[in-house]
Amino acid sequence: DAGVIQSPRHEVTEMGQEVTLRCKPISGHNSLFWYRQTMMRGLELLIYFNNNVPIDDSGMPEDRFSAKMPNASFSTLKIQPSEPRDSAVYFCASSPTGGISGANVLTFGAGSRLTVL
Amino acid sequence: GQQVMQIPQYQHVQEGEDFTTYCNSSTTLSNIQWYKQRPGGHPVFLIQLVKSGEVKKQKRLTFQFGEAKKNSSLHITATQTTDVGTYFCAGKARLTGGGNKLTFGTGTQLKVEL
Repeated sequence: DAGVIQSPRHEVTEMGQEVTLRCKPISGHNSLFWYRQTMMRGLELLIYFNNNVPIDDSGMPEDRFSAKMPNASFSTLKIQPSEPRDSAVYFCASSPTGGISGANVLTFGAGSRLTVL
Repeated sequence: GQQVMQIPQYQHVQEGEDFTTYCNSSTTLSNIQWYKQRPGGHPVFLIQLVKSGEVKKQKRLTFQFGEAKKNSSLHITATQTTDVGTYFCAGKARLTGGGNKLTFGTGTQLKVEL
């Protein structure tokens, strides 16, 4: 199993440009999560999907951020237009669907380090 | 919303010393997980605790879930340089019902010096 695959690993862009981050979850995992990590705010959940459907997007900072999951094997996180404060490491994680009382283990990708100049 | 705090934020120890990080949630949790992130790496799952008062051990690591299911701790005995990294707790609020939303703690960064 190749694990959760993210691309690109590193991206440097200029303010105002569109950024698209990509994620391929582990095959058979029904839940997919996008987290953002910064020194100031730690690990923040941006959005998560169950069976390709967005369940909770309350962590998405503002309208400049959008996420899609067109099928079970692919998700994107888009920032348009990007701003310097968006600089962070963006992690994608997947897990089997959690039950009512439990939460299944998250497997994280290696992350995409975004720098917006 | 749910908040999960960890203390201390940073800890420097000499190799061989013990280390403990504490995790406190603003809401009652259905379970708690612990993850380790090496410098430059990504979080990696260590363990999950579900029952009130549960204690689990992994070699030199001891994990505990509080009786009220609002706090947890991770204790490392006789730290080694391989223990370096940031330790995160992550909890699912008990009242969120179905779904898989985990809130991560603020993390404790451990440095081990020879």
